[in-house]
Amino acid sequence: GENVEQHPSTLSVQEGDSAVIKCTYSDSASNYFPWYKQELGKRPQLIIDIRSNVGEKKDQRIAVTLNKTAKHFSLHITETQPEDSAVYFCAASDSWGKLQFGAGTQVVVTP
Amino acid sequence: DAGVIQSPRHEVTEMGQEVTLRCKPISGHDYLFWYRQTMMRGLELLIYFNNNVPIDDSGMPEDRFSAKMPNASFSTLKIQPSEPRDSAVYFCASSLSRDNTDTQYFGPGTRLTVL
Repeated sequence: GENVEQHPSTLSVQEGDSAVIKCTYSDSASNYFPWYKQELGKRPQLIIDIRSNVGEKKDQRIAVTLNKTAKHFSLHITETQPEDSAVYFCAASDSWGKLQFGAGTQVVVTP
Repeated sequence: DAGVIQSPRHEVTEMGQEVTLRCKPISGHDYLFWYRQTMMRGLELLIYFNNNVPIDDSGMPEDRFSAKMPNASFSTLKIQPSEPRDSAVYFCASSLSRDNTDTQYFGPGTRLTVL
C-alpha cells in the first residue's frame, strides 16, 4: 500500500519568512496530493491540492510542487503570518480514493 | 450546506461500555470515511463506504469496532466493549464521487475518552 513520509515534524519560522514542508510517497500510481491544515482542536481542512498532471499550483501565499519521477511533493508558504501556525498534513490518494496521510508538521510562526 | 455533521462532539465513558459515534455526510456525497487521530499514530483510515456499502475495512483495529451505513445520510461507528486505548478523536469525512481526486471534507470530530 501507499506510504507517505513527511518532514520536518516541527518547523519554527519568523513572521514574514517562508516555510517549506516536504513529503515523499511510495505508490507510483498515486495521482492526487492534497494538503490539509489543522488548527488546535479543529478538523483538518483542505488548503490546496495538486493532481498528477501538473507540476505546480499556487493559491495566494501557498504553493505546492509535485515531482512524480522522484515521488515527492512540497508545500510552500510565503510571507508567513501568525495565523499560519497549525499542523499541516500531506496526503496521497491511491486509485480507490483512499488517502494515506503523512505524520504532520507542526508549524509555529513567531512574531 | 451544513457540512459533515458528527455527534456527539465529546464522549467520556468507562472501560467496557459501548460507544456509538454518528455521522451525517454532506448531501449528495457518495463516499464516507471514518478516521481515527491520535498523537502516536496520526490520522488513520478505519473504514470507508461507497453508496452505503463498506468497501475497505482493513483499518478497523479489531472486532470490537464495527461500522454501518443504513442509508445515504447516516453512518455509525460502534465500539463494544470500549478500552482506554480507544481514546482518540474520531473524524468522519465525505467526498462526492468515485473519482479519487475528489476532496474529502471532514466533520468536526468526536473526542472520545475511555476511562
